Amino acid sequence: AQSVTQPDIHITVSEGASLELRCNYSYGATPYLFWYVQSPGQGLQLLLKYFSGDTLVQGIKGFEAEFKRSQSSFNLRKPSVHWSDAAEYFCAVGSLTGNNRKLIWGLGTSLAVNP
Amino acid sequence: GAGVSQTPSNKVTEKGKYVELRCDPISGHTALYWYRQSLGQGPEFLIYFQGTGAADDSGLPNDRFFAVRPEGSVSTLKIQRTERGDSAVYLCASSLSSYNEQFFGPGTRLTVL
Repeated sequence: AQSVTQPDIHITVSEGASLELRCNYSYGATPYLFWYVQSPGQGLQLLLKYFSGDTLVQGIKGFEAEFKRSQSSFNLRKPSVHWSDAAEYFCAVGSLTGNNRKLIWGLGTSLAVNP
Repeated sequence: GAGVSQTPSNKVTEKGKYVELRCDPISGHTALYWYRQSLGQGPEFLIYFQGTGAADDSGLPNDRFFAVRPEGSVSTLKIQRTERGDSAVYLCASSLSSYNEQFFGPGTRLTVL
């Protein structure tokens, strides 16, 4: 079955601390992986994506993620968190084969940042 | 505006009524997607259009849900005989082609009383 697991429902970090949000997936085909961020009242914004090539991908706002095929993981990291990073973070997996373009989403991780 | 827009931003209706939700994709984007998001959940795929045709409608929950994109741009999601369980945020996304990342609109919050 196709699924995305984000093990941490809620994470709290202090401003300036490092951050790692976990994402594990189960997918039958070659996975294309995404991290989106959703702030209150805002639409989903793409942080970064992995299609192929270098398994360490850089995104916007200082985020990066590493694709590890052997662990079926695509964890999101940031070296120093800012208060404005408080939001809901979603990992998603999709395919580019055939007509299958649906994204399968995790339940999200809510990030709180302490001053 | 350069982004995906959705109207209305909020819709309150009564059980059994018919509703239409509109999505204006980014200009030039050929692929369009509908998702719905319930509280505390990730988005759930409903349907995907490539041009005017529905390439994958496997996520539509039942025949009360229907979507069209007659000219390959604006799309309308139509829900007949609404039920309280249909209450959710309905998200629209578009992409330059079906091989590119999806850009999301702000969503329409549907409340069925």
